[in-house]
Amino acid sequence: DAGVIQSPRHEVTEMGQEVTLRCKPISGHDYLFWYRQTMMRGLELLIYFNNNVPIDDSGMPEDRFSAKMPNASFSTLKIQPSEPRDSAVYFCASSLAFGWGYTFGSGTRLTVV
Amino acid sequence: GENVEQHPSTLSVQEGDSAVIKCTYSDSASNYFPWYKQELGKGPQLIIDIRSNVGEKKDQRIAVTLNKTAKHFSLHITETQPEDSAVYFCAASIGNQFYFGTGTSLTVIP
Repeated sequence: DAGVIQSPRHEVTEMGQEVTLRCKPISGHDYLFWYRQTMMRGLELLIYFNNNVPIDDSGMPEDRFSAKMPNASFSTLKIQPSEPRDSAVYFCASSLAFGWGYTFGSGTRLTVV
Repeated sequence: GENVEQHPSTLSVQEGDSAVIKCTYSDSASNYFPWYKQELGKGPQLIIDIRSNVGEKKDQRIAVTLNKTAKHFSLHITETQPEDSAVYFCAASIGNQFYFGTGTSLTVIP
């Protein structure tokens, strides 16, 4: 298995632009999570899905952030409009079942200038 | 909600020595405690985990201990090697939500 695949690996964009991050979870994993990592706040859970359904989006910082999971093999995290304070590494993770350890992707490093 | 504290934030050891990283949690309902290793430019990788019905678990050079009464758990790395240098995160899980510690940057000096 190729693991959790994220794209792009790096994204540099100008303030105000729309940014879309993509994630392909491990086949058969029913849970998908989006995390944001910064030096100041560490790893923050943004949202997670179970069987493609959003379960908890309480970590999504603002209405500028949205996430979708149209099918079991694909999820997106969109920021519109982007702001410099959104600069961070965004990780996608998936897990096989309730209460099992996550498998993380390699992350997308987002820089908003 | 759950609060996980992790210490120390940085740790330097000589190659061959042992390293210990400690975490405490606040919610007694937490029942699963994974540890992740994050190398530069990569995502966190699960290295060992323990459930609340077990007091200790070992996998080659790494071990984790759990004290439910005191609500703390620790990662032990023996015979450290330069490739052990990374950031280590502990986590406590309630249901399917993980609460991560703030990380420990471990440097193993050759």
